[in-house]
Amino acid sequence: DGGITQSPKYLFRKEGQNVTLSCEQNLNHDAMYWYRQDPGQGLRLIYYSQIVNDFQKGDIAEGYSVSREKKESFPLTVTSAQKNPTAFYLCASSRAGRGRLGEQYFGPGTRLTVT
Amino acid sequence: EDQVTQSPEALRLQEGESSSLNCSYTVSGLRGLFWYRQDPGKGPEFLFTLYSAGEEKEKERLKATITKKESFLHITAPKPEDSATYLCAIPRRLTSGTYKYIFGTGTRLKVLA
Repeated sequence: DGGITQSPKYLFRKEGQNVTLSCEQNLNHDAMYWYRQDPGQGLRLIYYSQIVNDFQKGDIAEGYSVSREKKESFPLTVTSAQKNPTAFYLCASSRAGRGRLGEQYFGPGTRLTVT
Repeated sequence: EDQVTQSPEALRLQEGESSSLNCSYTVSGLRGLFWYRQDPGKGPEFLFTLYSAGEEKEKERLKATITKKESFLHITAPKPEDSATYLCAIPRRLTSGTYKYIFGTGTRLKVLA
């Protein structure tokens, strides 16, 4: 079955530690995205990538970093510089194109708790 | 500026009580409007894509429609299992020629048995 996997589902870290969230897709999509979701707020874009070895900052990139070495993988690192990292993190992918744009498909999410 | 506004924020319905959710949008050149369902603690699940005014899509008790300024998600005779947050999104073209998706804050639907 094609889809997006995120691991782990729950993650606990101490303040000051970096942590990397995994995102893998087998949908053969060129574009991948990371969002953060907080209670009462919409999805906020952290980083996105339209093609391998290229990525752009989203609306709230400070304190986060990403890499896109393979088409299938787009890991997100939450660094110690992120002031409020506790949140629900969602990875998504979509076709990249110039005509009608395709829908995004989302992974199951990772809930990160930093204490 | 491109934006998406959803209303109401929350909606409580009795089982079988039909209603509609609204997604108002402003964008220069619509490249698609997307509806998602999100259950608590899970990732959004894609429902529908609408590309032009007048288009309609239907799936079970859900029907999505769109005009030049807004989209509606009509829920006919809802059941408790339809309880979820419903999100809509539009793509925004960036100066680089790439796109990012703008999401509304969603409508939390609760259907009571």
